[in-house]
Amino acid sequence: NAGVTQTPKFQVLKTGQSMTLQCAQDMNHNSMYWYRQDPGMGLRLIYYSASEGTTDKGEVPNGYNVSRLNKREFSLRLESAAPSQTSVYFCASTQSWGAVTGELFFGEGSRLTVL
Amino acid sequence: DQQVKQNSPSLSVQEGRISILNCDYTNSMFDYFLWYKKYPAEGPTFLISISSIKDKNEDGRFTVFLNKSAKHLSLHIVPSQPGDSAVYFCAATGANSKLTFGKGITLSVRP
Repeated sequence: NAGVTQTPKFQVLKTGQSMTLQCAQDMNHNSMYWYRQDPGMGLRLIYYSASEGTTDKGEVPNGYNVSRLNKREFSLRLESAAPSQTSVYFCASTQSWGAVTGELFFGEGSRLTVL
Repeated sequence: DQQVKQNSPSLSVQEGRISILNCDYTNSMFDYFLWYKKYPAEGPTFLISISSIKDKNEDGRFTVFLNKSAKHLSLHIVPSQPGDSAVYFCAATGANSKLTFGKGITLSVRP
């Protein structure tokens, strides 16, 4: 089972460039999330999608956009990358929005460096 | 404002001894608490959880204790093994079902 798959795993961008991080899950989960992890900051929620067709802001949404393309896929876009967006990005999914009581499945992460 | 706090950035213990990882929270609306484990270059994985209606939950070598009056929870690992060396994140959720994570603590278990 692939679980949650993120691409790319590594990316280097120049300031001002744009890119999209892709995420796909094969567990038929309804809810999907994007987190970023920075040293000494833990995991912070960027955006989430409680169900197909819905998206909402998390704790640190500025500079990002998301698209819930279908039930499987949830992408994160950086329109104009900034050095402050250098981070490790994690996509996660869970069965349903109202049932976040444990099993939040994470991808392996995408390491982004903005020069 | 950090709603979930893991004040110690690291912990080192001897193999076979107990590891105690602490977590404090400030939001009284949190009613479900979780611990996640993360190895380098991997995503976090769920370890154990506890509901606010309980004060203890056990799963093999892992036990989580919750003290609601103190807004404090702890993860006990007994006995600790070298494979337990990882970053451990405490997380909490409430009615809005969004998980709020602490900063994490790096556990090193010495052989």
